[in-house]
Amino acid sequence: EADIYQTPRYLVIGTGKKITLECSQTMGHDKMYWYQQDPGMELHLIHYSYGVNSTEKGDLSSESTVSRIRTEHFPLTLESARPSHTSQYLCASSERGTGQETQYFGPGTRLLVL
Amino acid sequence: QKEVEQNSGPLSVPEGAIASLNCTYSDRGSQSFFWYRQYSGKSPELIMFIYSNGDKEDGRFTAQLNKASQYVSLLIRDSQPSDSATYLCAVALGGGNYQLIWGAGTKLIIKP
Repeated sequence: EADIYQTPRYLVIGTGKKITLECSQTMGHDKMYWYQQDPGMELHLIHYSYGVNSTEKGDLSSESTVSRIRTEHFPLTLESARPSHTSQYLCASSERGTGQETQYFGPGTRLLVL
Repeated sequence: QKEVEQNSGPLSVPEGAIASLNCTYSDRGSQSFFWYRQYSGKSPELIMFIYSNGDKEDGRFTAQLNKASQYVSLLIRDSQPSDSATYLCAVALGGGNYQLIWGAGTKLIIKP
């Protein structure tokens, strides 16, 4: 089972602020993902990375950016938060190799933008 | 557009009965299939995965895969109130594409 951590767990912030959501995993997984999920709704992939210095945008258009400078760390940044960014953000990771697509999730960050 | 379809529910099942959750997918090249459970306000957690046609059992859970008909199901035997959650089906295309295509989930309610 993967150990994957997200901070903060809850964040209330005003419109226009810059925020960074942290995600770290200790399993050496090369692939990492960011999802956005509203209550009772489906998961939407917003960013993913297959390794250091590799980042891609997902299916959901997002105003956020990500970086992958270290294998274990995959932070997500919102340059200017807006009320429409209010949601739950979930980070996940998975191992290298065919048949290793199982994703393990962190506890999530609940973001409220006022 | 590759899709994974699930009945949104809610599916209501009496305690002790078998809960049956279904999922269909559109891409015949899909190779790996996953069931996750998500409690309200929590993150998804893996229940089990299946790669080959047929049944795979893990405790009270059985995953069934039929690639010809493009469906995968999850059976929960002896359902407990603690099984009440949303169950997410996910499909991996394989071939170097490591993303999972997610269904919207089925909400399951186990009635005591």
